Order: sequence, then structure tokens, then C-alpha cells
Amino acid sequence: QVQVVESGGGLVKPGGSLRLSCAASGFRVTDDYMNWIRQSPGKGLEWLAYISGSSDFATYADSVRGRFTISRDNADNSVSLEMTGLTVEDTAVYYCARGDYRFDPWGQGTSVAVSS
Amino acid sequence: QSALTQPASVSGSPGQSITISCTGTNSDIGKYDLVSWYQQLPGKTPKLIIYEVTKRYFGVSNRFSGSKSANTASLTISGLQTEDEADYYCCSFGLATTFVFGTGTKVTVL
Repeated sequence: QVQVVESGGGLVKPGGSLRLSCAASGFRVTDDYMNWIRQSPGKGLEWLAYISGSSDFATYADSVRGRFTISRDNADNSVSLEMTGLTVEDTAVYYCARGDYRFDPWGQGTSVAVSS
Repeated sequence: QSALTQPASVSGSPGQSITISCTGTNSDIGKYDLVSWYQQLPGKTPKLIIYEVTKRYFGVSNRFSGSKSANTASLTISGLQTEDEADYYCCSFGLATTFVFGTGTKVTVL
């Protein structure tokens, strides 16, 4: 069964850092692009970043470029999102999703709350 | 990149057809045939229903169809059913090899 499972969310103070992980099963993360997408409480979806399966090529949304870093661990068959300089606007559920031009599957998400 | 524009809400009676628009620019929807649509049922994770503008994903009802004209993509749900009540989001490949989602549309079955 092809699926992804996110972990690593939690409560962090403004200015703090957090590392999210996405474990893949049923496929190899080297087989496809992997994405991070978030949804703020009561709001819409926002694509954040993707990383190529075959190289270290990665692209970011303007809102997180320079603060967030996506990476891939081939041995662990997972991808990560390193988040720094967090603000209250980064409070959201963070989803991992497989795909280049279509996102499937999505995980259940991991919640990040940024608050003092 | 600014979010694609969708109507906040669309409603219809059971059996009717509704169409959700998704308006972008000539740098995203107008430039690439890489529009996808996602259905998010209440309290659930988004699910892919349409990709590459018109292609239905595996197992998706043929009541769902996608199209595009210039800078606007559309999702049509025909034979509306109560189970279609959900939020719907479009997404397009665009500027600087990034993606942008739409603002989301809440579909209500009257």
C-alpha cells in the first residue's frame, strides 16, 4: 500500500525551529518528487516545497524560501522539512504528498503551532 | 505567487450540475496544462480527483470533469450528490517551477 506518514509537529516559540519528517511506504522516495503542503486553521492549502527523487533539485514557495529546507534520506526512505525562523503565520497542519504534477497520496498531516 | 482565485462557495440541489472556476494568469494556468483538483471532505485529508486539466484519477466518479480555457480552469460536478459536500481546491504548476493552490470553494448540496 502506497502511503506517507508525517511526524515531528508540536508547539514552538516564535523564532524557533522544528524538523518535520515524512516516512514513505509502498514506494521509494527516489522514484518521484515529494512535496510539503500546509493548511492554516480554517484556511486553504499552500504548497511549500518539493524535492526531486533523482537529484537534490528543490524549489520553494516565496513565503518559506530561505527559512525552510527540504531534504531526502534515501536509506530511510523519507523526506524532511527543516523549518527555522518560525512565526505565528506558520501555524498549520503540514502535509507530505508524493507527485510531480499531481499530489497523491497525502499523509494525515502533522500539526505545528507557533506561539509564545 | 498569488493564490488562484476560486469562488468561496457554490451550491446546488441533488441531481443538478455545478461548475467551480479557478482563475490564474498566463504564467500558470494559461501556460501549462498542469492543473489538478482536490476534494477535502470535512475533517479529512485532501484527495486528488482531477489531474493534467481533464484526467480523472483512479476510482473517481465520472460525474467529475475538468476543463480549461485561457487562464481559467473549471471543475464540473454533474448529478450532484450529498456525498459531494466538501471543499474543493485547484492547483497549477507555474512561475519558477513552483505550484500554487486556489483559494478553495465550499460546495453545499441544498
